[in-house]
Amino acid sequence: EAGVAQSPRYKIIEKRQSVAFWCNPISGHATLYWYQQILGQGPKLLIQFQNNGVVDDSQLPKDRFSAERLKGVDSTLKIQPAKLEDSAVYLCASSTRTDRIHEQFFGPGTRLTVL
Amino acid sequence: LAKTTQPISMDSYEGQEVNITCSHNNIATNDYITWYQQFPSQGPRFIIQGYKTKVTNEVASLFIPADRKSSTLSLPRVSLSDTAVYYCLVGGLNNNDMRFGAGTRLTVKP
Repeated sequence: EAGVAQSPRYKIIEKRQSVAFWCNPISGHATLYWYQQILGQGPKLLIQFQNNGVVDDSQLPKDRFSAERLKGVDSTLKIQPAKLEDSAVYLCASSTRTDRIHEQFFGPGTRLTVL
Repeated sequence: LAKTTQPISMDSYEGQEVNITCSHNNIATNDYITWYQQFPSQGPRFIIQGYKTKVTNEVASLFIPADRKSSTLSLPRVSLSDTAVYYCLVGGLNNNDMRFGAGTRLTVKP
């Protein structure tokens, strides 16, 4: 079974530029998560989708971050404009169920460096 | 929101058993305890989950006392490849406050 795919794996941009990350979850997984992991910290949930609907985006900085999952399968996370403090690894995870206690399968992440 | 507390770091040697304890004093009746493992440059990986008493799988054991205010992840005979960060999470069905903390950084030495 193929895992969660993410691209790119690495991205370096200058502050105030825009960036987008892509995630393809495990086939059949209706729930998709985006997390931000700053060096030395645990993953912080940014947004949770159930199919193409948003379940929770309470911790998403909506003035600069946006995410979509138009067809209920793959998803994109965008940052515009980027700030220095956005440097982090962005992790995508998917699950068969909405409840977070159900096993989440994580992708390898995209490491973003903002200069 | 059930807050969890676990040691920041632990050291061990190959072949030893490692026990990582997580405190969750305000765990709710419907909450489960879940542990994830994260290797460097990878996303977290689900290890084990339990509600009470003891759960064992091919990777680890999870011990949960009767009051459920703490839990212990037990890794038998660790090897260098068990060096990772281990996260304890608490949450239940219809409770979406389950969050990752800072985790415990386990270093296994030869």
